[in-house]
Amino acid sequence: GQNIDQPTEMTATEGAIVQINCTYQTSGFNGLFWYQQHAGEAPTFLSYNVLDGLEEKGRFSSFLSRSKGYSYLLLKELQMKDSASYLCAVTPGGSYIPTFGRGTSLIVHP
Amino acid sequence: DSGVTQTPKHLITATGQRVTLRCSPRSGDLSVYWYQQSLDQGLQFLIQYYNGEERAKGNILERFSAQQFPDLHSELNLSSLELGDSALYFCASSPRTSQNIQYFGAGTRLSVL
Repeated sequence: GQNIDQPTEMTATEGAIVQINCTYQTSGFNGLFWYQQHAGEAPTFLSYNVLDGLEEKGRFSSFLSRSKGYSYLLLKELQMKDSASYLCAVTPGGSYIPTFGRGTSLIVHP
Repeated sequence: DSGVTQTPKHLITATGQRVTLRCSPRSGDLSVYWYQQSLDQGLQFLIQYYNGEERAKGNILERFSAQQFPDLHSELNLSSLELGDSALYFCASSPRTSQNIQYFGAGTRLSVL
């Protein structure tokens, strides 16, 4: 089966940098996703990593190490609107169906 | 706006009842996925359809069923509802050129009283 672990909650200060970690154990690997979800709203796609390394997209970056079963999402220049849940999801080998972690609730305070 | 439309936004019903949730995928997308999200379970995959045919099945109860119609919209039917079925139900669709990436609708919040 699949197992995905990420911290339940993190807090950070506006303007700072925060790193949200995700570790996974899956049968095979197809790709890793990060989604942002504000309370009561739809998850929105942030990033997709297939190969090892860092993918940068504006204030958000995502890193993957397949050998370690590890990823992180880096958020820079935090804004109050970044307060949300961040979901790590992995698609196992031969599948398009992602398994989602429980999400990390990020609270950004002034 | 992801382009995925779900109706209704909210649904309040009683135990034992049956409801139907509706989803229209993004224009051009053939795949539709249904998920359930409750506070204690996170986002759980229920079922996937591709161009009218069932493609994958997850943790979907026998009381639940779905279908995808020729116009590609999909419906999720929930019957003999229980209190524990109260949750957010999301539909997602993915483009043909990048089936790994899913775009989610705004969800239907189901409350079973």
